[in-house]
Amino acid sequence: NAGVTQTPKFQVLKTGQSMTLQCAQDMNHEYMSWYRQDPGMGLRLIHYSVGAGITDQGEVPNGYNVSRSTTEDFPLRLLSAAPSQTSVYFCASSLGAYNEQFFGPGTRLTVL
Amino acid sequence: GNSVTQMEGPVTLSEEAFLTINCTYTATGYPSLFWYVQYPGEGLQLLLKATKADDKGSNKGFEATYRKETTSFHLEKGSVQVSDSAVYFCALSDLGGANSKLTFGKGITLSVRP
Repeated sequence: NAGVTQTPKFQVLKTGQSMTLQCAQDMNHEYMSWYRQDPGMGLRLIHYSVGAGITDQGEVPNGYNVSRSTTEDFPLRLLSAAPSQTSVYFCASSLGAYNEQFFGPGTRLTVL
Repeated sequence: GNSVTQMEGPVTLSEEAFLTINCTYTATGYPSLFWYVQYPGEGLQLLLKATKADDKGSNKGFEATYRKETTSFHLEKGSVQVSDSAVYFCALSDLGGANSKLTFGKGITLSVRP
């Protein structure tokens, strides 16, 4: 099993550009989520999904969109990048929301 | 809402020193409690967990006991190693059904010097 994979590992964007961060898992987990990690802020939940076709907002959803068309994939879209979105983004998956979450290696995003 | 409070960091210790990292929480219902560890350049991984009051989670020499009366889940290790240098996150998950989610503390950086 590859576990949770994320691409790209690093990305630099200009303000206003759009992009999609990819996340995939091969453990047949129903629950997937996206977090951002900022210094002194811990991890904050952006969006999550309890199964294919179902998504919901987390703590900091503004400026981000998600969709869940398959159990395996949960992409995160930045519609119009802003410098405030400079962060490290982690995708995670689990059997259920209160089970152990498995994290991907992260994507470091810089918005200029 | 739910919240997790961790002690302020960073923490620097010498090898073989005793470690305590404090964590307290606020939650409705009966949350599960977790400690996650993030090694440099990597994602988070579960270190240990406890699902009910008085449970003790343990792994790799680390321990934490779920104390409902003090709403705490402090992490301890009797003798730290240089390889324990990492960022440690306390987290909770309420049992609110399909919409349950993890709430993280801010994390604390531990550096262990030889």
